[in-house]
Amino acid sequence: GQNIDQPTEMTATEGAIVQINCTYQTSGFNGLFWYQQHAGEAPTFLSYNVLDGLEEKGRFSSFLSRSKGYSYLLLKELQMKDSASYLCAVSPNAGNNRKLIWGLGTSLGVNP
Amino acid sequence: DVKVTQSSRYLVKRTGEKVFLECVQDMDHENMFWYRQDPGLGLRLIYFSYDVKMKEKGDIPEGYSVSREKKERFSLILESASTNQTSMYLCASSPQGTGANVLTFGAGSRLTVL
Repeated sequence: GQNIDQPTEMTATEGAIVQINCTYQTSGFNGLFWYQQHAGEAPTFLSYNVLDGLEEKGRFSSFLSRSKGYSYLLLKELQMKDSASYLCAVSPNAGNNRKLIWGLGTSLGVNP
Repeated sequence: DVKVTQSSRYLVKRTGEKVFLECVQDMDHENMFWYRQDPGLGLRLIYFSYDVKMKEKGDIPEGYSVSREKKERFSLILESASTNQTSMYLCASSPQGTGANVLTFGAGSRLTVL
């Protein structure tokens, strides 16, 4: 089957660095995506990895290792507004198939 | 600046009622999606559409149908609502090509079926 695993909850302190891990087992691989979802709001796109390595975007970075089926989202200089759920998703197929496989999300709490 | 608009933020319906959830996007995206999101189950794809009048089943299409008569509008229909369809419904859109999985979501429609 196809599966994505990520921790259910994490907590961190304002100003710190936190790493949210995601492991996946899918029939194919056409990209890994991270979305942020604040409580009561819709998910918003954060980052995309299709090749191995680190993609940096301001305070957020995302890493991918395709051989290990592993990704992480790194959040630096944490702010209170970073308290949210972080969703990992994988596109298993290229072409016209738009079915992303979603993880259940990691709820991140940032404490002052 | 709203790009994906869902017609109703909160709805309360009775079992057996027909329910329409409307979604409109102004980004000229080819792809549109309907998801539901439930605690402990995450995001589950109901239906998606990659062109006008085209639709494909997602992972949980039973009890739902969709309509896409215009590029900007994608409707989700519950023919006979049941209590297990109480959920948050999220519409999303994306362009064709490499950005196809970069979804822009609407604010969501929270449906309660009594």
